[in-house]
Amino acid sequence: SQKIEQNSEALNIQEGKTATLTCNYTNYSPAYLQWYRQDPGRGPVFLLLIRENEKEKRKERLKVTFDTTLKQSLFHITASQPADSATYLCALDNRGNNDMRFGAGTRLTVKP
Amino acid sequence: GAVVSQHPSWVICKSGTSVKIECRSLDFQATTMFWYRQFPKQSLMLMATSNEGSKATYEQGVEKDKFLINHASLTLSTLTVTSAHPEDSSFYICSARSTSGRKDTQYFGPGTRLTVL
Repeated sequence: SQKIEQNSEALNIQEGKTATLTCNYTNYSPAYLQWYRQDPGRGPVFLLLIRENEKEKRKERLKVTFDTTLKQSLFHITASQPADSATYLCALDNRGNNDMRFGAGTRLTVKP
Repeated sequence: GAVVSQHPSWVICKSGTSVKIECRSLDFQATTMFWYRQFPKQSLMLMATSNEGSKATYEQGVEKDKFLINHASLTLSTLTVTSAHPEDSSFYICSARSTSGRKDTQYFGPGTRLTVL
């Protein structure tokens, strides 16, 4: 069956450290993968997209990697801040079906 | 740019009543809109894909007669939960995909919290 698994439900780190979130998928062949941020009671906000032929993508303090052999994406936030505390969702392009499929998310808490 | 709004942001209704939720793309046109449902601490579950001017495509297990979707224009899609029951209480989120520019990105609305008493 198809699965999208994000490494842990919750991740707590100290301010200034790098947060690393994992997204593993099974029985998907996504053309691209996206990461979103979701705050409580709000809709997801798009952060980054990485395509199957890209290994790494950066945007300010964010970095995403995509390994189609391992079927895994890593999402890094460097120099983390308390304001980065939120739930982060990975989403896969459900190739050929014109829609996205989401992982359950990882709730990140950055402590001052 | 790429703002999606939802109305209402929250609604409380009695069991058996119907509730309509609107999703609008404010500054772009969207041929495709998506409706998701999210239960606490769970992932967004796709309910249906809505294409302007045609019938929505529902995911397996989603009752099309219970969750009526209308995508009458390039900027508006509505979801009507008919004969709502307490188990329909959830966070409903829509998203829209632009007809131009970045077509591989979905822009999400802020969500609608539905509570059925």
